[in-house]
Amino acid sequence: ETGVTQTPRHLVMGMTNKKSLKCEQHLGHNAMYWYKQSAKKPLELMFVYNFKEQTENNSVPSRFSPECPNSSHLFLHLHTLQPEDSALYLCASSPGTSIGQPQHFGDGTRLSIL
Amino acid sequence: EDQVTQSPEALRLQEGESSSLNCSYTVSGLRGLFWYRQDPGKGPEFLFTLYSAGEEKEKERLKATLTKKESFLHITAPKPEDSATYLCAVQIMGNFNKFYFGSGTKLNVKP
Repeated sequence: ETGVTQTPRHLVMGMTNKKSLKCEQHLGHNAMYWYKQSAKKPLELMFVYNFKEQTENNSVPSRFSPECPNSSHLFLHLHTLQPEDSALYLCASSPGTSIGQPQHFGDGTRLSIL
Repeated sequence: EDQVTQSPEALRLQEGESSSLNCSYTVSGLRGLFWYRQDPGKGPEFLFTLYSAGEEKEKERLKATLTKKESFLHITAPKPEDSATYLCAVQIMGNFNKFYFGSGTKLNVKP
């Protein structure tokens, strides 16, 4: 398997549920990212990990909790979400965070909050 | 404030009708500008990276150019399979972790 794989592809949850999104990359990259994509809005960077260390938290509410156990895996733990959190959540990876290193994206998890 | 604006929001072309998409940016210091293509239900797919004004990159029917204030993605003789949303993103000086994306241009090429 190659590239960046995200599971599940679709998730429907209530506001009181707890769930996790998973991302796995098979590219040998060292940096991983979580983005939120809402309709007609720019991608919003949420978190950045470089060599398993979090290097960016873009003022994300604490109901989103990331975890990066190694350079190949990234999780986003969700709890007590709000309806406005419904969106496509994209994971990406890159060789590192240096200048000009493009990100490779997974196909996302479509999250719907009831 | 760092900002990326793409225009038009949507573009409909006939097959073979060439056109350009615009990405204008206001950032404190550009380190790289990226173009991506996103198909429905898919994640963005990397196309090009541009680093400095005057630089150009080409791939099949696509050509990306960069000035000090904006980038253009020129599409020559497009085909229906070029239909997608095209996104641009900038990486800024001082924080290579951060990528600022535009809202995208949704391109529809009719046969």
